[in-house]
Amino acid sequence: EVQLVESGGGLVQPGGSLRLSCAASGFSFTTYTMNWVRQAPGEGLEWIASIVSSSNNIYYADSVKGRFTVSRDNAKSSLYLQMNSLRVGDTATYYCARDYYGSGDHWGQGTLVTVSS
Amino acid sequence: IQMTQSPSSLSAYVGDRVTITCRASQDISNYLVWLQQKPGKAPKSLIYAASTLQSGVPSRFSGSGSGTDFTLTISSLQPEDFATYYCQQYNSHPRTFGGGTKVEIK
Repeated sequence: EVQLVESGGGLVQPGGSLRLSCAASGFSFTTYTMNWVRQAPGEGLEWIASIVSSSNNIYYADSVKGRFTVSRDNAKSSLYLQMNSLRVGDTATYYCARDYYGSGDHWGQGTLVTVSS
Repeated sequence: IQMTQSPSSLSAYVGDRVTITCRASQDISNYLVWLQQKPGKAPKSLIYAASTLQSGVPSRFSGSGSGTDFTLTISSLQPEDFATYYCQQYNSHPRTFGGGTKVEIK
């Protein structure tokens, strides 16, 4: 069974940093592109980053480019999102998703990041 | 690429035929997915490549369109279909979602 479990969310002050993790199991992690998608409270979905299996190609939304860094450790079947210079507007539930046809066929349960003073 | 969904919400009865549209700001061929999200849950992929049903998705869901105009149809709305639906293009980065369509019980 495919499982994706995010962790690392929490409350952080504006300007702070946080690192999210996504532990994958039940599939060959090394062969899949992985995505991060977020959802602000009461709002729609926003794609924020994708990383291909080899990490050779990484793509970011303009809203997070230069502040967020996505990485992966294929040996540990894990995906990461390093978030720096956090803003109130980054408050959201962050989902990792296994890429399938450019979106996600399996999603984690999400982890909530709250940026507030 | 901007994705525009309409309507933003709709009310319907169980058994109704429901149609949601999604328009891309430029040609995206058939690089479109539809997702369903229920409150407090992660999104679920319904359709990819504009018209291909994901495994396990009921056949009452169908997708059509190519280029800039796309449609998600639920042929006979069931109680478990009340949710928010999103389109998303994967023709190019950055991937972009439509604003969502909330389907509510009438």
